[in-house]
Amino acid sequence: DTGVSQNPRHKITKRGQNVTFRCDPISEHNRLYWYRQTLGQGPEFLTYFQNEAQLEKSRLLSDRFSAERPKGSFSTLEIQRTEQGDSAMYLCASSPAAVGNTIYFGEGSWLTVV
Amino acid sequence: GENVEQHPSTLSVQEGDSAVIKCTYSDSASNYFPWYKQELGKGPQLIIDIRSNVGEKKDQRIAVTLNKTAKHFSLHITETQPEDSAVYFCAGPSGNTPLVFGKGTRLSVIA
Repeated sequence: DTGVSQNPRHKITKRGQNVTFRCDPISEHNRLYWYRQTLGQGPEFLTYFQNEAQLEKSRLLSDRFSAERPKGSFSTLEIQRTEQGDSAMYLCASSPAAVGNTIYFGEGSWLTVV
Repeated sequence: GENVEQHPSTLSVQEGDSAVIKCTYSDSASNYFPWYKQELGKGPQLIIDIRSNVGEKKDQRIAVTLNKTAKHFSLHITETQPEDSAVYFCAGPSGNTPLVFGKGTRLSVIA
C-alpha cells in the first residue's frame, strides 16, 4: 500500500496526558498536511510542511500542539495536556509540491479524551 | 482567507435519480476545486476535481461544473446507487495555500 499511512488509528487517553500521532506520506510527496475533523464538520486545517519546513500554522493549533517533520519524510503531531475538546479525528494528507496539486488523505487517527 | 459554503447539508434521493451539491467560494484567485467522498470511519477520498481553465469535467456518473463569474462549483452524480451514500466535501482554494473544506453534505440514496 503506497497511500498515506497514519498510526495509531485509535487512541483513548485520559485528560491531561500527552499523545503523539505519526503520519507517513506518499513517497516523494514534498508537502504534508495535518487537519482535524469533528463529527458533522469538514476537515479543518492545522498545519503543513514542505519538506522539513513548517510553512503555516492555523489559529486552531494552540501551544499544546506541536508538529514536526525532522527529515522531510514522516511527521508527528503531539498534543500535550490533552483536554476533552481535543477529541476528534486527526487527518494527515500529502501532495507534491507543485502548485495546485491534489492532496491525498490517510485514514485518520481517532482521539478520544476521557 | 478563503470561505467555502456548501449546501445542502443533507440530501436524500431515490436510487437511479440524480444528486447535485453546490459550493460557493470567496477567493476569486482560486483555481483548483476538488470534491471528496468520506465514508464512515475513513479519511476523505478524492473523487473528482476541476481547474479554472475548464467549465466542466466528467468521470462516468460523476461530473463537476464551475462558474467562475458566480464563484460556485457543483458536483453532479447521475444514476445514483446505494454505494454513493456518504458525506461529500468540496474544498478551495489552491496554489500555495492549504485547502479549506465545506461543512459537508450527507447523501442518502434510498433503494
